[in-house]
Amino acid sequence: GEDVEQSLFLSVREGDSSVINCTYTDSSSTYLYWYKQEPGAGLQLLTYIFSNMDMKQDQRLTVLLNKKDKHLSLRIADTQTGDSAIYFCAERGSYDKVIFGPGTSLSVIP
Amino acid sequence: DTEVTQTPKHLVMGMTNKKSLKCEQHMGHRAMYWYKQKAKKPPELMFVYSYEKLSINESVPSRFSPECPNSSLLNLHLHALQPEDSALYLCASSQDRASGDRADTQYFGPGTRLTVL
Repeated sequence: GEDVEQSLFLSVREGDSSVINCTYTDSSSTYLYWYKQEPGAGLQLLTYIFSNMDMKQDQRLTVLLNKKDKHLSLRIADTQTGDSAIYFCAERGSYDKVIFGPGTSLSVIP
Repeated sequence: DTEVTQTPKHLVMGMTNKKSLKCEQHMGHRAMYWYKQKAKKPPELMFVYSYEKLSINESVPSRFSPECPNSSLLNLHLHALQPEDSALYLCASSQDRASGDRADTQYFGPGTRLTVL
């Protein structure tokens, strides 16, 4: 079946880089997404990557995709306190459903 | 404009009440979604509408009744809810459910925080 896994917690110091990892099981996934959710708010799309790409960069965000290992990562450069949030990895799987991972809670220490 | 709006922001209701959640988007999207999210958990898909027709119902209890009056609006009618239905209800929209080579990214609203007493 389809499954998306993430580590649940990550803590980094302000100014350092954060790397959030994700693994997925559906090799037929066409798109993989990263969403950010701040407390009490909805999900904000950060970026997405098509499965035939291996890297995508957007300002402070870098997404790396290893399709062979079904591993996706999100790197946030120069992490700020405003980056503290829950980050969800998601894959577009069968029947066009989007399957979300459990979310990684990122804490940024000033 | 990549905004999905939801009303109300907060809702408290008793188990015998009838209420509705509303969602609106003006991006010309033809697919709209309802998700339920419990604290510290990922969103769980409830319903999908595609071109104003219900295309996915994830075995949601009948006390939740979706409605899509037009391509910009999505409602969720609530009746005889249980305390365990308390959650954040998120609406999302995307251009089209057809995959093709488009990302068909879902854009989420801020959610309605529902408390059932």
